[in-house]
Amino acid sequence: DAMVIQNPRYQVTQFGKPVTLSCSQTLNHNVMYWYQQKSSQAPKLLFHYYDKDFNNEADTPDNFQSRRPNTSFCFLDIRSPGLGDAAMYLCATSRDQDGSTDTQYFGPGTRLTVL
Amino acid sequence: GQNIDQPTEMTATEGAIVQINCTYQTSGFNGLFWYQQHAGEAPTFLSYNVLDGLEEKGRFSSFLSRSKGYSYLLLKELQMKDSASYLCAVYDSNYQLIWGAGTKLIIKP
Repeated sequence: DAMVIQNPRYQVTQFGKPVTLSCSQTLNHNVMYWYQQKSSQAPKLLFHYYDKDFNNEADTPDNFQSRRPNTSFCFLDIRSPGLGDAAMYLCATSRDQDGSTDTQYFGPGTRLTVL
Repeated sequence: GQNIDQPTEMTATEGAIVQINCTYQTSGFNGLFWYQQHAGEAPTFLSYNVLDGLEEKGRFSSFLSRSKGYSYLLLKELQMKDSASYLCAVYDSNYQLIWGAGTKLIIKP
């Protein structure tokens, strides 16, 4: 089945220790997104790629970086995690960004704990 | 600013019907989505409306009125597994998805 996969599902890191979260998709979608979601809050878009074009949200901290080496994979790097970065990180994909076919499909998420 | 309003929490009884409302103020409109999110899991797509009217999909229906900036999600024949958060999201004129904070739906036997 075509899907969005995130690894790991649960990640524990120490304050200040870099961590990388991964996302892969078999949908062959052009767009990949990274969201941060804290409890009882709306998902917050961090950045997205349209193919290889990177789009950073204005309020995304510099501590968060992303890489998309190919169509299928996208990585979220948190260079120096702080306690406030503990959250669920959601990867999503969409075919495009300009019409009804552009529903975003989510992976299962990675829950990050910062000790 | 852009804003989406949904009730924080609702309670309903198994077998009943519940309507979850969503109002939005966005810079432009290119469609409205409803997602279901169980606790600790990712959102899953439920429905998409871009034209006014009702879209029915099994036990779930979604309604849109663009002139009123208003949508609702209607859930019929409620089951315990419908206990979840329901998120409303709108594509603005730049196709940026603006999210509501979600409505936590509690189903009681």
